[in-house]
Amino acid sequence: EVQLVQSGAEVKKPGESLKISCKGSGYSFTSYWIGWVRQMPGKGLEWMGIIYPGDSDTRYSPSFQGQVTISADKSISTAYLQWSSLKASDTAMYYCARRVRKDYYDSWGQGTLVTVSS
Amino acid sequence: DIVMTQTPLSSPVTLGQPASISCRSSQSLVHSDGNTYLSWLQQRPGQPPRLLIYKISNRFSGVPDRFSGSGAGTDFTLKISRVEAEDVGVYYCMQATQFPHIFGPGTKVDIK
Repeated sequence: EVQLVQSGAEVKKPGESLKISCKGSGYSFTSYWIGWVRQMPGKGLEWMGIIYPGDSDTRYSPSFQGQVTISADKSISTAYLQWSSLKASDTAMYYCARRVRKDYYDSWGQGTLVTVSS
Repeated sequence: DIVMTQTPLSSPVTLGQPASISCRSSQSLVHSDGNTYLSWLQQRPGQPPRLLIYKISNRFSGVPDRFSGSGAGTDFTLKISRVEAEDVGVYYCMQATQFPHIFGPGTKVDIK
């Protein structure tokens, strides 16, 4: 069974750094893209970027380029989303999702809630 | 970037009645390989999104056949033939034809 398990909820202060994770299991981790999606409170889904763990090819939405870093450690089948300096506006639920070939996102993590507050 | 729009943004429906959601892209979603990477996702309250339809009209595994997708080019439609209580949630179209991938704004479906 394909599973994406995300790290737990985080509460941080503005200016702090953070790295959240998404661990894949039940499939060949290096053969599928992993995307990250933001959902701010009460709002819609926003595509942030994507990584192909096989060769670390990474693409970002222009809205998030330079604001976050996406990475992966294929030795432990885990993708990451990180911030170097959080803002209150980063408060949101973050989802990872597996992309099949050039097509759809079929499996989603349970989400990681990030709260940034002084 | 491609812009995705959806109408309506809210759709109160009667149980057992049909529902229809329209999705439009600002440019053609036909990929150079001839496929159109337009999918539909459902997000129930408090849940992560769930894939319903991919490549315009292909139902994903386990999705009830009351869900169907159609369209081409820049105009797409998701239809629910008979709405059930478990269909309450927000529905998103999404294009994955080119980077950045883009979601539509979402259509909230609830029961009258």
